[in-house]
Amino acid sequence: EPEVTQTPSHQVTQMGQEVILRCVPISNHLYFYWYRQILGQKVEFLVSFYNNEISEKSEIFDDQFSVERPDGSNFTLKIRSTKLEDSAMYFCASKVIADNEQFFGPGTRLTVL
Amino acid sequence: AQSVAQPEDQVNVAEGNPLTVKCTYSVSGNPYLFWYVQYPNRGLQFLLKYITGDNLVKGSYGFEAEFNKSQTSFHLKKPSALVSDSALYFCAVRDGGGSYIPTFGRGTSLIVHP
Repeated sequence: EPEVTQTPSHQVTQMGQEVILRCVPISNHLYFYWYRQILGQKVEFLVSFYNNEISEKSEIFDDQFSVERPDGSNFTLKIRSTKLEDSAMYFCASKVIADNEQFFGPGTRLTVL
Repeated sequence: AQSVAQPEDQVNVAEGNPLTVKCTYSVSGNPYLFWYVQYPNRGLQFLLKYITGDNLVKGSYGFEAEFNKSQTSFHLKKPSALVSDSALYFCAVRDGGGSYIPTFGRGTSLIVHP
């Protein structure tokens, strides 16, 4: 069964450093998402991406964040200058059409020191 | 605006007993409702959804959920719990006439005791 994959599983970085989180969505999916989950809290929407552009973003997704689909398979989330409060689990998700359910990756745990 | 509430942080049930994980929602249009399960160190896995049709929706692993429009609820149920059902359960809602982005609840930890 096809699945969403994410790398790395765990990323440790120093405050102020740039990080890139990588995702490979399911191959025939057209809609892509990033969410984050701070430890013990609910899943929060960051951004959605369709047709090579951002379709929606939350207030969390400020200028420090960017997304890219560089090669038709990978979908990346970049945080330019990490802050302590960026420490969270980051989930990538994809879906094939707008009305369907999303399929989530296993997540990348980001720890900012 | 759309929102979802999971009033219980934790639900404890004995193996073999029925389980219910509660969810209530608020949307201005027609609700699209989802349940996901999260096992430790894993991503969210889709269980079931309600968009239209029968109020009782059957999903993966023997789970079902009942859409109740008057009570704005979408409780997750299973007739006989398994220890392996122990996980974190998230309810999500989106407004069928609005954004395609679902809003997730805070999650309910289900613990099934042997």
